[in-house]
Amino acid sequence: DIVMTQTPLSSPVTLGQPASISCRSSQSLVHSDKNTYLSWLQQRPGQPPRLLIYKISNRFSGVPDRFSGSGAGTDFTLKISRVEAEDVGIYYCMQATQSPITFGQGTRLEIK
Amino acid sequence: QITLKESGPTLVKPTQTLTLTCTFSGFSLNTYGVGVAWIRQPPGKALEWLALIYWDDDKRYSPSLKSRLTITKDTSKNQVVLTMTNMDPVDTATYYCAHANGYQYWGQGTLVTVSS
Repeated sequence: DIVMTQTPLSSPVTLGQPASISCRSSQSLVHSDKNTYLSWLQQRPGQPPRLLIYKISNRFSGVPDRFSGSGAGTDFTLKISRVEAEDVGIYYCMQATQSPITFGQGTRLEIK
Repeated sequence: QITLKESGPTLVKPTQTLTLTCTFSGFSLNTYGVGVAWIRQPPGKALEWLALIYWDDDKRYSPSLKSRLTITKDTSKNQVVLTMTNMDPVDTATYYCAHANGYQYWGQGTLVTVSS
């Protein structure tokens, strides 16, 4: 299985300030079809996960442009340009390049 | 509009078999490339992918749980069923189904508690 490792596990951030979460995979996420199936999900308290970013850097419909994804190969980053109160929750990276699909441990974003 | 909803027992006893149903709308499991997956999340813990079934009945399972899982589909009812045998208290979790083409759509989840 591909192991997904997120850092940090907890991120206290001041409202209006940027936040960044890293995700590293134990092997390359480049698929044989040349796509990299790395996604970011947000889980607000008491809610199911919500897709934010797919294939490294593509924002899903309705996701604010303050969220951005980057990276390649085994190293990926989710950035929030200016954190808002509604961004509180847990963020997961997820790989779908190889079965079984695997998730990172989650990063808890909280407001200072 | 794509929606998914999980249903099943909220409480099962150890050693029993769990059967969960995912009822969906807005897409068809007869369509080329479409799949539905199950994911679970123990309280306060991370997400764990369990199983996936595709439009052509191709099935994938988590290697660590493969011996206990079965996933099936009923395209006429727009449902996917997951069974998990020999339930244990460590299987207590919220179980989600999701549209597996990008995991863009998830159900609200159903909490299953395993306790005697």
